[in-house]
Amino acid sequence: AQKVTQAQTEISVVEKEDVTLDCVYETRDTTYYLFWYKQPPSGELVFLIRRNSFDEQNEISGRYSWNFQKSTSSFNFTITASQVVDSAVYFCALRGDYNNNDMRFGAGTRLTVKP
Amino acid sequence: KAGVTQTPRYLIKTRGQQVTLSCSPISGHRSVSWYQQTPGQGLQFLFEYFSETQRNKGNFPGRFSGRQFSNSRSEMNVSTLELGDSALYLCASSLVAGGTYEQYFGPGTRLTVT
Repeated sequence: AQKVTQAQTEISVVEKEDVTLDCVYETRDTTYYLFWYKQPPSGELVFLIRRNSFDEQNEISGRYSWNFQKSTSSFNFTITASQVVDSAVYFCALRGDYNNNDMRFGAGTRLTVKP
Repeated sequence: KAGVTQTPRYLIKTRGQQVTLSCSPISGHRSVSWYQQTPGQGLQFLFEYFSETQRNKGNFPGRFSGRQFSNSRSEMNVSTLELGDSALYLCASSLVAGGTYEQYFGPGTRLTVT
């Protein structure tokens, strides 16, 4: 069975602080895909990143960075120098191989960045 | 390029009624997935369509159904509505089925069942 765990329900930081959102996943698939989505108050899920199971290279995009570690089944997301506009619910998701296509989302982490 | 559109954005129905929600994917995308989001259960996968065929189905009762048309537009139907069906229903489109490509989500349809 596939499962995504986001243990942090809510995180509150002050602007300019760095924050890491944790994501731990479970799957029996050899090939799988991991995603992060942002859901601002408007409700629309915004795609942030996709990573396949064969690519463990970390990625940086501006203030965002992702750390994928297969050894610990984790795909953590770090926001550097957080801003108020980063306030949202962030979801980690897992999708299996071609024969197991449904996307499993974690429960989400609500990030509040205070000015 | 236009994003994923969903209609209607808001809907109020009473128990026992049925409802049809519509989703138009990004141009060129052939896969459409539907999700239900509630405060208690979070984001749950309903089903996925690709080339007018249902490719995968989540763990929802048969009251939830869907279909996809030749232009990739998709509809989902919920019959005999229950109070617990109140949720945000999200549609997502992707180039093809599977995880090779990311899904892009629409703004959702907020359904309230009274």
